Amino acid sequence: KAGVTQTPRYLIKTRGQQVTLSCSPISGHRSVSWYQQTPGQGLQFLFEYFSETQRNKGNFPGRFSGRQFSNSRSEMNVSTLELGDSALYLCASSTPGRNTEAFFGQGTRLTVV
Amino acid sequence: GNSVTQMEGPVTLSEEAFLTINCTYTATGYPSLFWYVQYPGEGLQLLLKATKADDKGSNKGFEATYRKETTSFHLEKGSVQVSDSAVYFCALSDNPGNQFYFGTGTSLTVIP
Repeated sequence: KAGVTQTPRYLIKTRGQQVTLSCSPISGHRSVSWYQQTPGQGLQFLFEYFSETQRNKGNFPGRFSGRQFSNSRSEMNVSTLELGDSALYLCASSTPGRNTEAFFGQGTRLTVV
Repeated sequence: GNSVTQMEGPVTLSEEAFLTINCTYTATGYPSLFWYVQYPGEGLQLLLKATKADDKGSNKGFEATYRKETTSFHLEKGSVQVSDSAVYFCALSDNPGNQFYFGTGTSLTVIP
C-alpha cells in the first residue's frame, strides 16, 4: 500500500512569490491535514480537509490556504511568501473518526530567500 | 484547551542504556495519545499509540502507558540502540477533525 506522497520534496522561492504544495493521501483515506514544522515553533496545525470541505483550521494568516479534490488529493497554497514561511510542510492522511492515527508524508522543504 | 508538554532535549545515551522521555498533556475531552518518531530528512512515523486510560502502547521495544490520573504518557525503552537516534514527538488527538497537538520533540542520540 503506497504511503502519503508529497511533491515536490524541495522548493526554493523568492519573497513575494506564491507556492503550491501537493499531497496524495493513502488510498481510502479521506481526511488530509497539513502541518508546518520549524525549529522555533515546532509542529503547528494548518488545516484539515475531509470530503473536499475544510473542517478545522489553525491559527495562520489568510495567505495560507488549501483545498481538497474529489479523489482526496490536497493542495496547499501560500501567497506573498515571507522569509518566515521557510519550513518543512507535512501532510498527513487518516481515516475519519475519533482517535485514529495520522500517516505522514516525507514533507516539502520550502526555503524562501 | 489541548496541549502537550514534553521533556526538553537533547538526550544522549550510550548503547543499551535505559530511555525515558517524559510527556504530560492537557485535554478537554478524552484524547488518544501517540508517540511519533522523525528520522533526519523524513516525515513523522507512528511509533505507538494508546486510546484510553491504562492502555499500554508498544512497538519495537518502546512502551508508553496512558495514565489519566497523572495526565502522562512517558516513553520508555529498556535498551536503546544506535538506530534509535531520532527526534521523538508526543501527541494527542481528541476531535473528529483529527487535529493533532504535538510536543516540541526530544532529540535522542545513542552513541556506541
